[in-house]
Amino acid sequence: GQNIDQPTEMTATEGAIVQINCTYQTSGFNGLFWYQQHAGEAPTFLSYNVLDGLEEKGRFSSFLSRSKGYSYLLLKELQMKDSASYLCAGESYNTDKLIFGTGTRLQVFP
Amino acid sequence: DAGVIQSPRHEVTEMGQEVTLRCKPISGHDYLFWYRQTMMRGLELLIYFNNNVPIDDSGMPEDRFSAKMPNASFSTLKIQPSEPRDSAVYFCASSLSAGLTLNTDTQYFGPGTRLTVL
Repeated sequence: GQNIDQPTEMTATEGAIVQINCTYQTSGFNGLFWYQQHAGEAPTFLSYNVLDGLEEKGRFSSFLSRSKGYSYLLLKELQMKDSASYLCAGESYNTDKLIFGTGTRLQVFP
Repeated sequence: DAGVIQSPRHEVTEMGQEVTLRCKPISGHDYLFWYRQTMMRGLELLIYFNNNVPIDDSGMPEDRFSAKMPNASFSTLKIQPSEPRDSAVYFCASSLSAGLTLNTDTQYFGPGTRLTVL
């Protein structure tokens, strides 16, 4: 099967930097998406990586290594509103599907 | 522009009853996805459509689940009969294209329907 693995929970302090890792089977996926989901709300798109390297968007950056089956989401200058679940999703080869990890719940403390 | 619209937002029903969830995708999007989200299993793809045609329903749990897309602006997910284990949040999402090229478009999610089967 196609597996996406990410930590279940993380905590961090306001103003700090946090890195959320995601690993996946290299044979199964094309690109990697990151979504943010606040409690009780829908997932919203954060980033997409299809090439190796770092994509930066303001306080959020996402990295992909296709050969290692590894991605991370980096959040800088954490704010309380960043408390949410962060979902890693692999774009399945030769299909139109996204396979989601179970998400990492991030809690930001003052 | 309106995003993906789902109704109802909350549904409470009794075991054995029929449940119909509704979705209106973003205008012009030609892909529509139905997901189910639970604490235990996370976000799971149930079925998706391209240009109103079901492409992959391998995620549909069993025959009690069915989905239709009679036109480009409307889709339904039906559970008949419903069971307590169907309790979950059901999301509908749509996209312009579904990601086989470098210009992939993202999936935009509706607000979800929280289903509780007693």
